[in-house]
Amino acid sequence: NAGVTQTPKFRILKIGQSMTLQCAQDMNHNYMYWYRQDPGMGLKLIYYSVGAGITDKGEVPNGYNVSRSTTEDFPLRLELAAPSQTSVYFCASSYEDGATNEKLFFGSGTQLSVL
Amino acid sequence: AQSVAQPEDQVNVAEGNPLTVKCTYSVSGNPYLFWYVQYPNRGLQFLLKYITGDNLVKGSYGFEAEFNKSQTSFHLKKPSALVSDSALYFCAVRIYGNNRLAFGKGNQVVVIP
Repeated sequence: NAGVTQTPKFRILKIGQSMTLQCAQDMNHNYMYWYRQDPGMGLKLIYYSVGAGITDKGEVPNGYNVSRSTTEDFPLRLELAAPSQTSVYFCASSYEDGATNEKLFFGSGTQLSVL
Repeated sequence: AQSVAQPEDQVNVAEGNPLTVKCTYSVSGNPYLFWYVQYPNRGLQFLLKYITGDNLVKGSYGFEAEFNKSQTSFHLKKPSALVSDSALYFCAVRIYGNNRLAFGKGNQVVVIP
């Protein structure tokens, strides 16, 4: 199994450009998440999804959008890139049935710079 | 709202010595606690979790953590550190029924040969 796959690994954007960070998982997990990691700040939740067609905001959703049309895919869209969005982005997934509180599986990350 | 605090930015330890990485939490309900490790240029990897039951939880790579409700702590420990344990360690907390996992800022562990 590939687990959680993120593309691209690196990207440089100009201010105002848009892009989509791709995330796919092959573990049939129902929950998927997008986090950003800034130095000394830990991980902040941007958006999450509890299943296909269902998404919800996390702690820092402004400037981002998501969709979940299939169980496998959870792309993150940046519409108007700003320097404050320079960060490392991680996608994660987990299987949750309301009782077991399972662990998260993370992708290897996308390093994004907005200049 | 739930949160975790990792008070130290960096922990330095000599190879072979005991390793402790501190974590305290703040929640309004029963906490579910996790430790994750991040190696350079990689995503986070699950180490262990506390849900309920025995306060001492054993995890991957020889790590363990002790849940202390009175001190609201969940410190990560390893009896004998290896150079390969050098990495960034994150504590996280979640409340039952809440979909969100709150991460601490992380602790850089440096094991000196």
